[in-house]
Amino acid sequence: NAGVTQTPKFQVLKTGQSMTLQCAQDMNHEYMSWYRQDPGMGLRLIHYSVGAGITDQGEVPNGYNVSRSTTEDFPLRLLSAAPSQTSVYFCASSRSGGSVVGEQFFGPGTRLTVL
Amino acid sequence: AQTVTQSQPEMSVQEAETVTLSCTYDTSESDYYLFWYKQPPSRQMILVIRQEAYKQQNATENRFSVNFQKAAKSFSLKISDSQLGDAAMYFCAAYSGTYKYIFGTGTRLKVLA
Repeated sequence: NAGVTQTPKFQVLKTGQSMTLQCAQDMNHEYMSWYRQDPGMGLRLIHYSVGAGITDQGEVPNGYNVSRSTTEDFPLRLLSAAPSQTSVYFCASSRSGGSVVGEQFFGPGTRLTVL
Repeated sequence: AQTVTQSQPEMSVQEAETVTLSCTYDTSESDYYLFWYKQPPSRQMILVIRQEAYKQQNATENRFSVNFQKAAKSFSLKISDSQLGDAAMYFCAAYSGTYKYIFGTGTRLKVLA
């Protein structure tokens, strides 16, 4: 099993550009989520999904879109990149976000710089 | 709203000694789960230990154990016989029925040889 994979590992964007961060898992997990990690602020939840076709907002959703068309994939879209979105982004998945709570498995992260 | 607070930005411990990392949380839910994650310089997030709120017994995983004080909403991590490989950022996290995992701001642990 590859676990949780994220691409790319590094990305530099110019202000106003758009891009999609890819996330895939091969563990058949229902729950997937996106976080951003900034110095001194820990991990903050951007969006999450409890299954295909179901997504919801986390703490810091502005400027980001997600969709979940399959169980395996959960891409994160930056619509118009801003310098404030410079961060390290993590995707995670777990067995369930509902009544059965499992360990979250994290991808290796994507370091994004917006100039 | 659910919150997780780690009040120690940085801690140091001598190799082979014991160190305790603090975490407090707040939730209105009666059923919740607590986690400690380790993030070494490689950036990979690794689960260290988890605790179900309904369990009174403190969780233990080898050299790692927790002190879960439900009434005080405290969830500290004790690392015994510290090793150089324990040097990392440690994050406390909480999950309740809102489908959201909430993380603290982290504690950087340095292990001195």
